[in-house]
Amino acid sequence: KQEVTQIPAALSVPEGENLVLNCSFTDSAIYNLQWFRQDPGKGLTSLLLIQSSQREQTSGRLNASLDKSSGRSTLYIAASQPGDSATYLCAGINNAGNMLTFGGGTRLMVKP
Amino acid sequence: DTEVTQTPKHLVMGMTNKKSLKCEQHMGHRAMYWYKQKAKKPPELMFVYSYEKLSINESVPSRFSPECPNSSLLNLHLHALQPEDSALYLCASSQDVGSGAYEQYFGPGTRLTVT
Repeated sequence: KQEVTQIPAALSVPEGENLVLNCSFTDSAIYNLQWFRQDPGKGLTSLLLIQSSQREQTSGRLNASLDKSSGRSTLYIAASQPGDSATYLCAGINNAGNMLTFGGGTRLMVKP
Repeated sequence: DTEVTQTPKHLVMGMTNKKSLKCEQHMGHRAMYWYKQKAKKPPELMFVYSYEKLSINESVPSRFSPECPNSSLLNLHLHALQPEDSALYLCASSQDVGSGAYEQYFGPGTRLTVT
């Protein structure tokens, strides 16, 4: 069974810092990997989808990488802002493309 | 437009009530999903519908009954729930399922409280 782990569970940084969130998965059969943002009490906002054939994806200040051989993905946030404060979740998509397995999330606080 | 809508936003129900959660998308997606999220935990998959057919039921108790009336709508019928069923219920959709880059889009959720 796929297990997804995110480290750290919580992170507090001053505004302007570049930061890296980590995601690891146990089963290399993961097909794609998706990163989400969740604000308290809200739904999930999709940030980036990395296909198995890709190694990274970029959107604005966000860059996500995927290394299937090592079972790891990272989300890089450049020049963090207070508005980036949220919980960030990674989720692996299985080969059938119908199941997301989520990590426990990283709660990010960016202080002004 | 990548919007998934859910109604109601909040729902309080007693253990003997019957209620329904609704989800709608107009992106032409053929796969729709129900997830349950407890406080400070990640979402857990409950059901997957593909082309209006139930394809995955993650051993969900029968007090939760999904329904997909058409390709744009997904309902979750609730009956005789327990207090531990209180959670945020999230609906999602994707263009399709299968080996492809099918991003899932989530709705804002329904906050359910069972008293």
